[in-house]
Parts: sequence; structure tokens; C-alpha cells
Amino acid sequence: GESVGLHLPTLSVQEGDNSIINCAYSNSASDYFIWYKQESGKGPQFIIDIRSNMDKRQGQRVTVLLNKTVKHLSLQIAATQPGDSAVYFCAENGAGSYQLTFGKGTKLSVIP
Amino acid sequence: KAGVTQTPRYLIKTRGQQVTLSCSPISGHRSVSWYQQTPGQGLQFLFEYFSETQRNKGNFPGRFSGRQFSNSRSEMNVSTLELGDSALYLCASSSPEYTRQGGTIGYGYTFGSGTRLTVV
Repeated sequence: GESVGLHLPTLSVQEGDNSIINCAYSNSASDYFIWYKQESGKGPQFIIDIRSNMDKRQGQRVTVLLNKTVKHLSLQIAATQPGDSAVYFCAENGAGSYQLTFGKGTKLSVIP
Repeated sequence: KAGVTQTPRYLIKTRGQQVTLSCSPISGHRSVSWYQQTPGQGLQFLFEYFSETQRNKGNFPGRFSGRQFSNSRSEMNVSTLELGDSALYLCASSSPEYTRQGGTIGYGYTFGSGTRLTVV
């Protein structure tokens, strides 16, 4: 069936380096994507979103890239900080759908 | 403004019992959706409500049900609890300015902290 998946389950980066978290999706009808950060014991926290008519969107220290040709989504975090350590999920919202389909998550560990 | 509020934060129930979880969305948000999060299955969609109407339902048994009130607050109920129902139950609300009409898309699903349900 249609799904959103992540390439890497864990990612360790040095503090100050840039992080890249990837996500593959299979539903070509997906038209809206969101990245979430989830810390232990908390609900997912909205980071940044992008629509299918966009290739790139930037926020504060974060950039989301969307490649519709290969159905790939990535989250770039600049100057990664210890507070960025968490599990990151991509989520897809398909056209005509009222639900989010989540990837399995990538655990980001920042080494001080 | 206040975020999404879920109560209670923690629950312990016995197999066969039923449970009701509550979610208060961000003020002004009329869409509320529910998700189940487990280590094995990740985040899975349960159902979504808008203006007291269920618009979409995930692949969960009929033991899982929900409703939404006129003030947009929502509840979900799980009857005849099973051990496998142990999970973090998350509620999300989204902005009414971006309802799914005429090609526009949903926007900014904001999650609460969840209710941790343990079935023993």
C-alpha cells in the first residue's frame, strides 16, 4: 500500500555540523508534507511544511527539500545543537485526504 | 494561544475495560484527528472530525470510536481493551483557514502531548 518511509533509522552528528534526514514516499498524489520533531514523552512538534508545488522551503535553521520526480523529501538542520536530539518524522497528506501518513522516524543524536 | 490539550496524560486499565480520552483543540480549530503511536507500528491514523462529523477513519477495529462536540472538543473511546491497545494516543488539530476545498490543502497539524495508555 501507499506509505512514507525513512532511509536511516539513526543519525549521529557532531554539534555544529549540518544534519540531513531523508524520507521516501510512494503516493504520487501526496500534495503536502510536514516534518515533525518528537522528544521523549512529548507529542510531535511541527517543524516545517511544504506543498507539492514547491521544491524548497526554509525556516529558522531548517530547510525542507522536495523532489517529486523521485518522491523524496529531506530535512536539513544547520549548525545542529544538542537540543536538536530527538526523533524526526516526515508525514504526508494526500490530496483529498484528511489524514497524515507518517514515516517510521529517524533518531538524531547530537554529540557535544 | 493555548495548544492542544489532552487528558489524562497517563492511564492504566485492565483488559476488557473501556477507556475515554479527551482532546481540546487550539481555539478556533475545527478539525481534530487522532493517532495511535506504538514502537512497532509507529504513528497510525485513527479518525478525523470536522464540525462534529467524522470525515475519515483509519484501519482500526470498531472497538475504537470517537466523537466531536459543538465546541470542537473531541473524545475517543476504546472498548473491550486488549493488551495490544497499549500505546501513546495523540490528538492533532488543524487550522480552519485551510480546509480541503477547491484544491487547497490542510495546514499545520498541531499535536498535543498525548495520553499514555497501558493495558494490563
